[in-house]
Amino acid sequence: GAVVSQHPSWVICKSGTSVKIECRSLDFQATTMFWYRQFPKQSLMLMATSNEGSKATYEQGVEKDKFLINHASLTLSTLTVTSAHPEDSSFYICSALRGGGTEAFFGQGTRLTVV
Amino acid sequence: QKEVEQDPGPLSVPEGAIVSLNCTYSNSAFQYFMWYRQYSRKGPELLMYTYSSGNKEDGRFTAQVDKSSKYISLFIRDSQPSDSATYLCAMGGGSNYKLTFGKGTLLTVNP
Repeated sequence: GAVVSQHPSWVICKSGTSVKIECRSLDFQATTMFWYRQFPKQSLMLMATSNEGSKATYEQGVEKDKFLINHASLTLSTLTVTSAHPEDSSFYICSALRGGGTEAFFGQGTRLTVV
Repeated sequence: QKEVEQDPGPLSVPEGAIVSLNCTYSNSAFQYFMWYRQYSRKGPELLMYTYSSGNKEDGRFTAQVDKSSKYISLFIRDSQPSDSATYLCAMGGGSNYKLTFGKGTLLTVNP
């Protein structure tokens, strides 16, 4: 159990376009999901906390208008990178908290390349 | 001082060795502790979760927490080449459920 699926696993897009990344908890409900960004050989940087049915909470320095987060159901959160630029190229990872617990399970990540 | 300190390594050991990975932390509000394994270009995989001081064992893995010293460890017995990965410690404790991660230790187990 505790499977989190992230889609797509990789995507290449042109500058100026938008990209949507999905994060699904397959076998449990997740009221809270998190979105991270990871640069090569670096640890995870928390971007925002996504709560089902409410607005996401963004970390300091993260542009909420650029990184749109929607958590419309207990099993799905989406991250949309709007007007993508090459500097947005990175590895994006989501995690989900199972039930009301504190164990966080991660998706497999999405490698975004903006050309 | 950073909230969580983890030696980034790299750490290289022969197959069958016992591996010890460590993290120290400064925030006494942390209540639960996790170890994740991350293979290159993949998401982190939860290995161990614990919320109390002491040892917790799962197969070849043992997690150790010493809250009085603010020190956690992960031991890997009989290490295998497939254990080669980056190991991240993580801890949390606030009502927001956020995790604070260490920088990760890159481990290579040589056959």
